[in-house]
Amino acid sequence: GIQVEQSPPDLILQEGANSTLRCNFSDSVNNLQWFHQNPWGQLINLFYIPSGTKQNGRLSATTVATERYSLLYISSSQTTDSGVYFCAVELYTGNQFYFGTGTSLTVIP
Amino acid sequence: DTGVSQDPRHKITKRGQNVTFRCDPISEHNRLYWYRQTLGQGPEFLTYFQNEAQLEKSRLLSDRFSAERPKGSFSTLEIQRTEQGDSAMYLCASSFTGELFFGEGSRLTVL
Repeated sequence: GIQVEQSPPDLILQEGANSTLRCNFSDSVNNLQWFHQNPWGQLINLFYIPSGTKQNGRLSATTVATERYSLLYISSSQTTDSGVYFCAVELYTGNQFYFGTGTSLTVIP
Repeated sequence: DTGVSQDPRHKITKRGQNVTFRCDPISEHNRLYWYRQTLGQGPEFLTYFQNEAQLEKSRLLSDRFSAERPKGSFSTLEIQRTEQGDSAMYLCASSFTGELFFGEGSRLTVL
């Protein structure tokens, strides 16, 4: 199956700092999403971004499908940004989303 | 429009008992997925429905697991003869256009 790798695995930031999270995938994909998992375990949609660039407030994402990677940018980080960030991809031929290994982000005041 | 709803949110059971989880997807979402997540890991795919048809099943889904979506609306996931290794968060997601929306999950603890 497809390999989905995220980096870095862990990240500690001072409040106000910026960060970039990366998602690499080993095959061509039809769909790609970024999620934030809150402390209660729910996966919150951040971006549905099979290709191109999107922005939502302090967050933005870019997917370069031809080069098989996606980036999630967090600017002016806040303590509420803490949690685990996952990317998930769906193959053209598949009926499932494959999740990456996650990036655990801790923002300290 | 309400989000994906899962019930129960928490379940504690003894090894060997059967458990059933229910998922109510977003209205008119024809695709429904079940995932399982253990501590420190990303969600792992279990099964996928398009309307009432179960189109994909993971090898993770042993004979003790069964899922249904009888009328193409809500879905149930049943685990028979639970084992301690079944302890996990069970996540349901639905989709219409390709974007997944997850419920809050059902956390299972098998003693």
